[in-house]
Amino acid sequence: QSALTQPASVSGSPGQSITISCTGTSSDVGGDKYVSWYQQHPGKVPKLMIYEVSNRPSGVSNRFSGSKSGNTASLTISGLQAEDEADYYCCSQSIGSVIFGGGTKLSVL
Amino acid sequence: QVQLQESGPGLVKPSETLSLTCVVSGYSISSGSFWAWIRQPPGKGLEWIGSMYHNGNRWYNPSLKSRVTISVDKSKNHFSLELTSVTAADMAVYYCARDVKGGTHDYWGQGALVTVSS
Repeated sequence: QSALTQPASVSGSPGQSITISCTGTSSDVGGDKYVSWYQQHPGKVPKLMIYEVSNRPSGVSNRFSGSKSGNTASLTISGLQAEDEADYYCCSQSIGSVIFGGGTKLSVL
Repeated sequence: QVQLQESGPGLVKPSETLSLTCVVSGYSISSGSFWAWIRQPPGKGLEWIGSMYHNGNRWYNPSLKSRVTISVDKSKNHFSLELTSVTAADMAVYYCARDVKGGTHDYWGQGALVTVSS
């Protein structure tokens, strides 16, 4: 199985909005409601930010939102803050397995 | 509060078997959910290794399937990972996590760094 495709890096200024894409196939992202997103700061444990495409766990800021169109899921972060600088990974259920994206490094300039 | 904690040798020799255990507290494995192992090589991304449902059904990453076994000991409320014939490519931080459904990993262990070296 191949990793889901994410841009290697994105950047934005404080207060701006950015979107990270996650492209798969009809067998994973496109065919399922189970797309999740994780935030990972350097040396830290990944943290669930979005589940089932667009749902936020309790305690996650509403600046984080998720969506999906066809085989591509997206994570949008609005009102960028310095603390958002981290690596972000998408994840999807596939046939009999789970697949992660390659990860995107978000820089807040 | 659900907590997970990995334990096991931090150093494994090439060609030998990597064994890790994840102790779960605050939630009974028998109650439900999937229980997953995920790894992250230094400086690289996350890779799903496999998961087990509370009823014993298992799913493995096709690229690792021939070398991986995930098992559960409900009496001790822990689950385990075995990866055989390790090489330098298996050097990584290994995480255990609860997967509530479809790759939604809501609770993670702190991670265990495993080095492969003779």
